[in-house]
Parts: sequence; C-alpha cells; structure tokens
Amino acid sequence: SQQGEEDPQALSIQEGENATMNCSYKTSINNLQWYRQNSGRGLVHLILIRSNEREKHSGRLRVTLDTSKKSSSLLITASRAADTASYFCATAVSGTYKYIFGTGTRLKVLA
Amino acid sequence: EPEVTQTPSHQVTQMGQEVILRCVPISNHLYFYWYRQILGQKVEFLVSFYNNEISEKSEIFDDQFSVERPDGSNFTLKIRSTKLEDSAMYFCASRPRLVTDTQYFGPGTRLTVL
Repeated sequence: SQQGEEDPQALSIQEGENATMNCSYKTSINNLQWYRQNSGRGLVHLILIRSNEREKHSGRLRVTLDTSKKSSSLLITASRAADTASYFCATAVSGTYKYIFGTGTRLKVLA
Repeated sequence: EPEVTQTPSHQVTQMGQEVILRCVPISNHLYFYWYRQILGQKVEFLVSFYNNEISEKSEIFDDQFSVERPDGSNFTLKIRSTKLEDSAMYFCASRPRLVTDTQYFGPGTRLTVL
C-alpha cells in the first residue's frame, strides 16, 4: 500500500449523519493535516494534529491519530449538504520537507 | 485573512512550449511548495523551497522543472518544454516556520498542454 491511503474511496450519507474517513501512512511523521477540496477547486485546510497528539476537535470535526498503527481518522458530525467534497490527509514526513497526500475520500451528503 | 494567490487560474499551451506559473505566498511565511494534481488523482509533492534554495524535490521534479523566488513576494514554477502529461492542476503552498505549522494552499493553476 502507498503512503497516505484513505478509505473509503467514496462515501454517501444522509444529511445529519456522521461521516468517518480513515487515513493510513507508512513513515514516521511530524504531523498530519486534513484538507477539503471541492470539485476542481483548491485545498482548504481543516485541521492539523501533531505526532504527539491523539485527538483534536474543531467545530464539527474530530480527528484522531494512532502513531502505533500509523493511522488517522476524520469524523464529521451532523453532516450538511455543503460538506460534500473530497477529503485528503497529508503527512509531514519526519526528517524531510515533504508532505505526502492520501488518495482521498469523496464524500457526498444527500439533502 | 492573508492567503496564497496564484496566477493565471488557467493556462493553455502547446506541447514543447515553456510556461511559468506564479504564486504569491503569505508574506511572513518562510517555506514554499509546489504540488500538482492530475485530474481525478491525488495531490503530488513536487518541490519545497526555503532560504532561496530547493530543500527537497520529488522524482517528478526533473530537469524540465525549476523554481525561483525572483523578488521578496513571488514564487514561480517554470516548466521548460511542456509535455501532454504535464496537464494538471498546480498548487502553490506556504507555511510560516515550524514543521508543525499549517500549510496554506493557493487556489491552483490549471495547466492544459495541447
């Protein structure tokens, strides 16, 4: 598997439901960031979690990080139609200046 | 709120031509990046730039690519002789100082090579 694989690849839920996306990576990291991308648009930063943190919240977003399993999850609670987008994780690889993006999860929230 | 800007938003060029994509990072940021995203695929790291030199580059960033910070505000990506497979969205990003700082992205330039 590649650094930064996400699952599921696509997720379709009803408005009001929670959406959970997972990201796995292979190397040591300094931090992990989640981004949202609307179709054909730029990347909007959502949340950053440092390698020594286990959980972080921001509004309706909850991110967890398990460095022993090299995985992270993004939970969006009480989803809205406006949350429809692709979500990517990006890892800041330790000892480098490089960020590696995951393959992304396409979320569709049905009104 | 300060933001990263990129110009042009869309560039169309003929194969073999040179293109320069421009970015203005956030003013007090020290690290600058270029990424590309081929349609429908994931975002790929190209190069990072710090203190007026390349700090890291990927295998994609071959001799056809170069970056420059010609003045105190602009950060450019040049592709010397474009190929069809260079068609992609190119994103510029910057971050302040620490590796734990957030990386902020520009809106992207869509490059179409005909």
